[in-house]
Amino acid sequence: EAQVTQNPRYLITVTGKKLTVTCSQNMNHEYMSWYRQDPGLGLRQIYYSMNVEVTDKGDVPEGYKVSRKEKRNFPLILESPSPNQTSLYFCASSFGQGGETQYFGPGTRLLVL
Amino acid sequence: GNSVTQMEGPVTLSEEAFLTINCTYTATGYPSLFWYVQYPGEGLQLLLKATKADDKGSNKGFEATYRKETTSFHLEKGSVQVSDSAVYFCALIPYNTDKLIFGTGTRLQVFP
Repeated sequence: EAQVTQNPRYLITVTGKKLTVTCSQNMNHEYMSWYRQDPGLGLRQIYYSMNVEVTDKGDVPEGYKVSRKEKRNFPLILESPSPNQTSLYFCASSFGQGGETQYFGPGTRLLVL
Repeated sequence: GNSVTQMEGPVTLSEEAFLTINCTYTATGYPSLFWYVQYPGEGLQLLLKATKADDKGSNKGFEATYRKETTSFHLEKGSVQVSDSAVYFCALIPYNTDKLIFGTGTRLQVFP
């Protein structure tokens, strides 16, 4: 089954404790992206990747890191989480040929205390 | 810049009522336009899309027409069901890019 998976689905942590949210897709997509969803703000792009070893900042990259060492995986790293990073996070992927439909993971709900 | 504006919710309807959720956009050139739906506790699913002017996207009884002249992509359904209760996001991808830009979402609540 074609899908985007994320882990964990729910996470409670404390300020400053490094964490990683994994994202994996099995559709051989080149383009992958991370979004955060906050009430009243919709979804905002954090980082994206056009291909292996090619990543770039989105609209709200501060406090986040990403890597793309393999085509299928695109982890989101919070080196020192803060309470303002409490949010719902989505990973998405597409073939990346301009205007293509993006497919979303189920989401990761993060609470930073 | 590129942006999407959609009507604020919640939109509250009785079952079998007609639904319209307004969406307008600002973009250079010819963006691709999308409606995504988020059911409670789930991720986003593509509902429908249109890639050029006057195209009509349709799925599950929902429709939206790409109107270049009014820069709009309003979502409509003739008869809503309780199971349509969800948050609906209008979005665009600017021409020749892959960046998806979302509106703020509209919550639809359908009561029996």
